[in-house]
Amino acid sequence: NAGVTQTPKFRVLKTGQSMTLLCAQDMNHEYMYWYRQDPGMGLRLIHYSVGEGTTAKGEVPDGYNVSRLKKQNFLLGLESAAPSQTSVYFCASSWIPGGVGTEAFFGQGTRLTVV
Amino acid sequence: GENVEQHPSTLSVQEGDSAVIKCTYSDSASNYFPWYKQELGKRPQLIIDIRSNVGEKKDQRIAVTLNKTAKHFSLHITETQPEDSAVYFCAAPRGEAGTALIFGKGTTLSVSS
Repeated sequence: NAGVTQTPKFRVLKTGQSMTLLCAQDMNHEYMYWYRQDPGMGLRLIHYSVGEGTTAKGEVPDGYNVSRLKKQNFLLGLESAAPSQTSVYFCASSWIPGGVGTEAFFGQGTRLTVV
Repeated sequence: GENVEQHPSTLSVQEGDSAVIKCTYSDSASNYFPWYKQELGKRPQLIIDIRSNVGEKKDQRIAVTLNKTAKHFSLHITETQPEDSAVYFCAAPRGEAGTALIFGKGTTLSVSS
């Protein structure tokens, strides 16, 4: 039982390049989330999904897109990377459809640097 | 939408002292309040949570209290130990269905021996 796994763990991009971060969970969770963590800013919600085929915007969605084609996977895309997107990205998932109120399990994080 | 404010941003205590971190939230409909601990270079992990139908919850040396009238909740750590040193985040649900967590900016707790 791996929990929540993020790929890759580290990446360096040049400004304007694109990339996709993959999040996979094996806990059959309905809800999945993408957060970014910057010093002094805490964890900020980028996008989230309440089930297969659904996505919704969070606090800081600009410059990112997401897809949830399969229940176990949640992809975060950067179409044209900018230095302001340098951050540590965390994926998380939680279960029990019907709302928040249970533990969110986090992946190990992806450290992204845009130069 | 929900707004969560957390204080203090840094907290230094001596081993054995108590530590208190406070969070305020804006949405009176929020009903679930977790606390996460993040050690350096690691992922955040849940340490304790509380639902709006109770005012206090304890788990060994940690406790969380909730004041729904004032819209604030606090984390209390007693008999602090060096391994308690970490960043602590509070959170509250966002939106009408509370489908995602909004986090505070975190408190860096340092416990010196």
